[in-house]
Amino acid sequence: TQLLEQSPQFLSIQEGENLTVYCNSSSVFSSLQWYRQEPGEGPVLLVTVVTGGEVKKLKRLTFQFGDARKDSSLHITAAQPGDTGLYLCAGVDWPGGGADGLTFGKGTHLIIQP
Amino acid sequence: GAGVSQSPRYKVAKRGQDVALRCDPISGHVSLFWYQQALGQGPEFLTYFQNEAQLDKSGLPSDRFFAERPEGSVSTLKIQRTQQEDSAVYLCASSSGQVKGSPLHFGNGTRLTVT
Repeated sequence: TQLLEQSPQFLSIQEGENLTVYCNSSSVFSSLQWYRQEPGEGPVLLVTVVTGGEVKKLKRLTFQFGDARKDSSLHITAAQPGDTGLYLCAGVDWPGGGADGLTFGKGTHLIIQP
Repeated sequence: GAGVSQSPRYKVAKRGQDVALRCDPISGHVSLFWYQQALGQGPEFLTYFQNEAQLDKSGLPSDRFFAERPEGSVSTLKIQRTQQEDSAVYLCASSSGQVKGSPLHFGNGTRLTVT
């Protein structure tokens, strides 16, 4: 199993600020997914990035996959309280890694204070 | 149903008791996964089914953990002789694809507390 490290572990900022969270590995992934999880609920898929260097935007969220497909970042512009949650990255192992194919990081706990 | 449904939402068990956790995946989804999520951590893979076949159970922490999906739909995760370290949220997810990395649809989990 390939490890995915997410940083920071915890982040608390004021509404309106910008932030970036990171997902890093020493191994290559064929694709990478970002999920958001709110308390008492299951993770919900935000985006999948596939191509090295790919950038995807989802309203105020910008996701980037590293050129070497070993890392990814999530940038949030003008954060709002509704962005609060646990952000998880999940890498699809390359080329093997078991039938499930997904390795989750431990997540970044994000709190946006009004 | 519209989403993945898990029951019960909460379960308190005394150490040594057996528990059974149920997962109803999205209708027609071929793939079903069980994950264990400790407090403040990311999900850890337990086991994977494709239809009724359990293709990977490498994440099950001990032989006290058993999962089944006999008709390729509903799945049950059973934990025998529960221990305190089994306390966690157990998440079920389903996927329509047989391709690795197909997006997962998660249920809201069962929070198990072993006292």
